[in-house]
Amino acid sequence: NAGVMQNPRHLVRRRGQEARLRCSPMKGHSHVYWYRQLPEEGLKFMVYLQKENIIDESGMPKERFSAEFPKEGPSILRIQQVVRGDSAAYFCASSPTPGTSGGFPDTQYFGPGTRLTVL
Amino acid sequence: AQTVTQSQPEMSVQEAETVTLSCTYDTSESDYYLFWYKQPPSRQMILVIRQEAYKQQNATENRFSVNFQKAAKSFSLKISDSQLGDAAMYFCAFRGSNYKLTFGKGTLLTVNP
Repeated sequence: NAGVMQNPRHLVRRRGQEARLRCSPMKGHSHVYWYRQLPEEGLKFMVYLQKENIIDESGMPKERFSAEFPKEGPSILRIQQVVRGDSAAYFCASSPTPGTSGGFPDTQYFGPGTRLTVL
Repeated sequence: AQTVTQSQPEMSVQEAETVTLSCTYDTSESDYYLFWYKQPPSRQMILVIRQEAYKQQNATENRFSVNFQKAAKSFSLKISDSQLGDAAMYFCAFRGSNYKLTFGKGTLLTVNP
């Protein structure tokens, strides 16, 4: 059973460009979470999504950031007009729906992260 | 809002010895989950152990065990028979009713041969 997949692993963008980060949850998982890790810090929650629904986006910056989890395909975290302060590692995690297999429903399983560097 | 505090920025241990990493948290909820994640130099976040707050029994996973003190809001991680591969950043995390994980700032563990 493949784990959470994220791509790209490394992304370099110039200020003002757009960054698109992709996350494919573990098979059978329908809950996706995005976190950001700044240097020397723990992970900070950004957004929680289920298929076609944003459940909690309380950690998302109000502007330039958006996330989606369509019916088909991976979850996407989009950052428009990137600035140097967006440089960070972005992690995706997934969890299973209660009553299904694939781990504990209260537990989030993480992908390898995408390291975004803004020049 | 919940907070998670890891008071030890760095710890070191000799190979084959035992080390304990500290974590305290603050919450008004009574039903929640606690986790330890390991982040090696590869940066992957790896689940080490989980604890359900309603269970009094401390969780164990092979060489890893926790000391969960609910009244004191303390959740320490004990690593027995430390191995070189245990060297990593360790994060304590809290999950309450709102699904999101709240992380501590981490403890960098060095294992000396």
